Amino acid sequence: QSVLTQPPSVSGAPGQRVTISCTGSGSNIGTGYDVHWYQHLPGTAPKLLIHDTTNRPSWIPARFSGSKSGISASLAITGLQAEDEADYYCQSFDSGLKIRVFGTGTKVTVL
Amino acid sequence: QVQLQESGPGLVKPSETLSLTCVVSGYSISSGFYWGWIRQPPGMGLEWIGTIYHSGRTYYNPSLTSRLSISVDTSKNQFSLKLSSVTAADTAVYFCARTDGAVRGRFDFWGQGTLVTVSS
Repeated sequence: QSVLTQPPSVSGAPGQRVTISCTGSGSNIGTGYDVHWYQHLPGTAPKLLIHDTTNRPSWIPARFSGSKSGISASLAITGLQAEDEADYYCQSFDSGLKIRVFGTGTKVTVL
Repeated sequence: QVQLQESGPGLVKPSETLSLTCVVSGYSISSGFYWGWIRQPPGMGLEWIGTIYHSGRTYYNPSLTSRLSISVDTSKNQFSLKLSSVTAADTAVYFCARTDGAVRGRFDFWGQGTLVTVSS
């Protein structure tokens, strides 16, 4: 039930800035429901990066930031580091399905 | 630090019941928050399965309600998942996590996940 669409992959050189989009619709992001972002290295526990669209948990570096416009949200990673190579997922709530929904996932590759 | 650890059989036969347990450490389930299950089929995205509160109140994904049961044991600080009549489509990595909402909200702490394969 991936109603949130993300690009399959993004890449960047160390130190660069990359952004990951999360496109929904008028029944989720467009309605104003919060968006959350997770980082996942396969075989490990996913990590909460951004909650409530723009907020960072205290243990997450300021290199990670979130934003939203219309039916889309974005995660930006500035000063890309090798350790940022992972899968990233967005999550929101869909008022039509009445459940929390996740994005399709984006693999970030550090060149 | 809140930690969660999933456990259960890695192989389940078709039509049988998948059973998993999530043990929580570093936080008492009775203190609050909701506790949920999420899964990820191979090569696919994440799917919310369901959530439970320490009172036992449950919230299920409508697509799984007829086969799903989530329970909590506050004395052991753990919660469990049972999914009946499984098919190959239920093959996935199953995660447990803490969340601040029954059907909305973020998952702030996750287990590392356990792979369950449905096969005869």
